[in-house]
Amino acid sequence: GNSVTQMEGPVTLSEEAFLTINCTYTATGYPSLFWYVQYPGEGLQLLLKATKADDKGSNKGFEATYRKETTSFHLEKGSVQVSDSAVYFCALSVHYGGSQGNLIFGKGTKLSVKP
Amino acid sequence: DAGVIQSPRHEVTEMGQEVTLRCKPISGHNSLFWYRQTMMRGLELLIYFNNNVPIDDSGMPEDRFSAKMPNASFSTLKIQPSEPRDSAVYFCASTRTSGNEQFFGPGTRLTVL
Repeated sequence: GNSVTQMEGPVTLSEEAFLTINCTYTATGYPSLFWYVQYPGEGLQLLLKATKADDKGSNKGFEATYRKETTSFHLEKGSVQVSDSAVYFCALSVHYGGSQGNLIFGKGTKLSVKP
Repeated sequence: DAGVIQSPRHEVTEMGQEVTLRCKPISGHNSLFWYRQTMMRGLELLIYFNNNVPIDDSGMPEDRFSAKMPNASFSTLKIQPSEPRDSAVYFCASTRTSGNEQFFGPGTRLTVL
């Protein structure tokens, strides 16, 4: 079956620290991979995505590379800010016959950045 | 574009009452998803629709839960009767069938006393 495993939080960092949130997946077929972010009191927003092996998704200083050989999609940022405090969800979607399958989410990792 | 619209944003009700949550997807999107988020279970897919037709409702927890999509611009999630363990944030999301990004609404925070 299809599943996503991401590192458990919470993660607490000081401003300007380096961030890594690990995500690995199991999928039949060729999944698209996503990172969503949820700020306090809001719905989820797409942060970045990658649709095929070796693609790198990037946005707002965050990056993640689709690694088929290690079935991973780790999220990184070189220098976090207080405003990055949120819950981060790794997710995958497997297409069937040209139609999108539903998203399968990891459990989320809460990030707190201290000034 | 107004984004996905959900109402109400907050709902407090007593056990046994009927609760109806509403969602308006983004215009032109033909897939709609209902999720439930709790601290204990994280984010769970309840049901999703393609072109107003329910495709997978295996995540609907019990017969007390039902969802409808009478047209392309409106969906409801109903809980009858509600129970305290239904307390959660319920999200609606929509996407184009050919695309792969889901757009989420702001959620409805449900509290059942």
